Amino acid sequence: GQQLNQSPQSMFIQEGEDVSMNCTSSSIFNTWLWYKQDPGEGPVLLIALYKAGELTSNGRLTAQFGITRKDSFLNISASIPSDVGIYFCAGPPGNTGKLIFGQGTTLQVKP
Amino acid sequence: DTEVTQTPKHLVMGMTNKKSLKCEQHMGHRAMYWYKQKAKKPPELMFVYSYEKLSINESVPSRFSPECPNSSLLNLHLHALQPEDSALYLCASSKGASSSYNEQFFGPGTRLTVL
Repeated sequence: GQQLNQSPQSMFIQEGEDVSMNCTSSSIFNTWLWYKQDPGEGPVLLIALYKAGELTSNGRLTAQFGITRKDSFLNISASIPSDVGIYFCAGPPGNTGKLIFGQGTTLQVKP
Repeated sequence: DTEVTQTPKHLVMGMTNKKSLKCEQHMGHRAMYWYKQKAKKPPELMFVYSYEKLSINESVPSRFSPECPNSSLLNLHLHALQPEDSALYLCASSKGASSSYNEQFFGPGTRLTVL
């Protein structure tokens, strides 16, 4: 079935550093979503992107919808300990409301 | 109210038990979803309800039985589960089940353990 390739799989960084992760698809998406999940909790929607080339910010987070519509990027600036968690990209493979998710990027921040 | 709530938070059940998971949203959303999530893996879609009708069943075993009593409530009835069904079960909702409403909002999940 259709898959989203998300990288890197994990990151261990120092507090204050910037972080970048990306997601690629084999087919075109009309939406890209980025979620963060804390241990034992449900995913929380961080940013939604709807237009190719769109750049959207949410505080220290910035996400971009790739021009080819087959990829998306999430950047976190000046990381802090509470940024720890798993970040998932997600997109709709059709018009049914169904979402598919990337495999996730696990972020650890060393104080 | 911008929350999706789920009860119970934790559930332990035997393989012969019958139990139910509950989900509620008061955002006026017309699509609701059940996902299963194993540790360190992404959520996997199980069911989609659109306007209180089941629109997608991702070939889920019949020991999982969804129910949507009204537009705010979603249940998942469990019967004769197997230990491999132990997972975090997530409920989500969105304005609709189409490409115009892709933003899904998740509840905190029910951690299910089958003994």
